[in-house]
Amino acid sequence: AQSVAQPEDQVNVAEGNPLTVKCTYSVSGNPYLFWYVQYPNRGLQFLLKYITGDNLVKGSYGFEAEFNKSQTSFHLKKPSALVSDSALYFCAVRDVKSGGYNKLIFGAGTRLAVHP
Amino acid sequence: GAVVSQHPSWVICKSGTSVKIECRSLDFQATTMFWYRQFPKQSLMLMATSNEGSKATYEQGVEKDKFLINHASLTLSTLTVTSAHPEDSSFYICSARVTASYEQYFGPGTRLTVT
Repeated sequence: AQSVAQPEDQVNVAEGNPLTVKCTYSVSGNPYLFWYVQYPNRGLQFLLKYITGDNLVKGSYGFEAEFNKSQTSFHLKKPSALVSDSALYFCAVRDVKSGGYNKLIFGAGTRLAVHP
Repeated sequence: GAVVSQHPSWVICKSGTSVKIECRSLDFQATTMFWYRQFPKQSLMLMATSNEGSKATYEQGVEKDKFLINHASLTLSTLTVTSAHPEDSSFYICSARVTASYEQYFGPGTRLTVT
């Protein structure tokens, strides 16, 4: 079955330190992977995606993610965290069974708390 | 670019009434829009896929007669919660997929409270 796992409910990091939000996936074939961020009472904002090509993907707001096929992971990273990065982060994978609709399967979300 | 709006942003209604939520893609055309429901501190649950000019496709367990979806144009999809009950209270989020693209762009969400 297709799935996305975000093993950490919450990640705490000090401002200025590097951050990592973990994501692993299970899907047949080549995965199409996405990261979204959600601020309180708001919809999701697209951060970055991996479809093909370079395993290191750079996205919005200084975030990047590394696709690792052997570990079936797509961890989100940022070299230096900001307090304003505090939010809920979702990893998602394209549902390969959805055909042209390109539905997304979301992980449970990880709350990132950046402390001053 | 790729901005999606939702209206209203929040609504309170009485049990038994119906509520309509609009989802608009402001600067692009969206053949496909999606409707999600999000419970507090939980992930998004896909409710249905909305296709312009055709009937929506509902996920298993979602009552199509209760959650009516209409995708009348390439920029507008509506979700009507009919005969709402307190258990329908939730955060409803729509997204639109740019044609020939894989990513979805999300609206800001609508918080529905049924009293």
